Amino acid sequence: SQQGEEDPQALSIQEGENATMNCSYKTSINNLQWYRQNSGRGLVHLILIRSNEREKHSGRLRVTLDTSKKSSSLLITASRAADTASYFCAPSGSARQLTFGSGTQLTVLP
Amino acid sequence: GAVVSQHPSWVICKSGTSVKIECRSLDFQATTMFWYRQFPKQSLMLMATSNEGSKATYEQGVEKDKFLINHASLTLSTLTVTSAHPEDSSFYICSASPTPGQNVFFGSGTQLSVL
Repeated sequence: SQQGEEDPQALSIQEGENATMNCSYKTSINNLQWYRQNSGRGLVHLILIRSNEREKHSGRLRVTLDTSKKSSSLLITASRAADTASYFCAPSGSARQLTFGSGTQLTVLP
Repeated sequence: GAVVSQHPSWVICKSGTSVKIECRSLDFQATTMFWYRQFPKQSLMLMATSNEGSKATYEQGVEKDKFLINHASLTLSTLTVTSAHPEDSSFYICSASPTPGQNVFFGSGTQLSVL
């Protein structure tokens, strides 16, 4: 299985600030996905970036991918209290089984 | 590391029959498990949250009478697709965490084909 490791483990910011979290992986990938998980809820898909893409936007989200460094970043701009959640990355290649890392716990303070 | 086992890996059935998919956490207890559906080349879509000892919580648009979820123990959740139709053909996958909100592990998935 392929696993992404998120960094930092925890991040606390003020509402309105930007939040950046990083993901590193070890194997070659076809795409990388970011998910969020609110406490007690299942993972919700946020954005998918393909291996031939370097940057992708979706609303307040911006994802970058550097396949040479095997890393990705997720930027949430103008954060809101509702963005408080755990964020996970999922590098995806040929393996069907996914294993997520421990995630980044983002806390946005009002 | 923690493992989530899902069975069967694939199933082919006739239209109108019911199919049960099992999701087991092999070396940890999970009070909550999650069921997802994935269409080809699309991302995972959360269907429902399975809660041990209580009713499952379904996402909007998911028919609870169609997709029956039972979470009878801390290590087993089952998803039953009742009266399956060809449009139910999809890849179904479950997940669980030893610690809620961290280290999410997914099963290997079940490819359902309804003829």
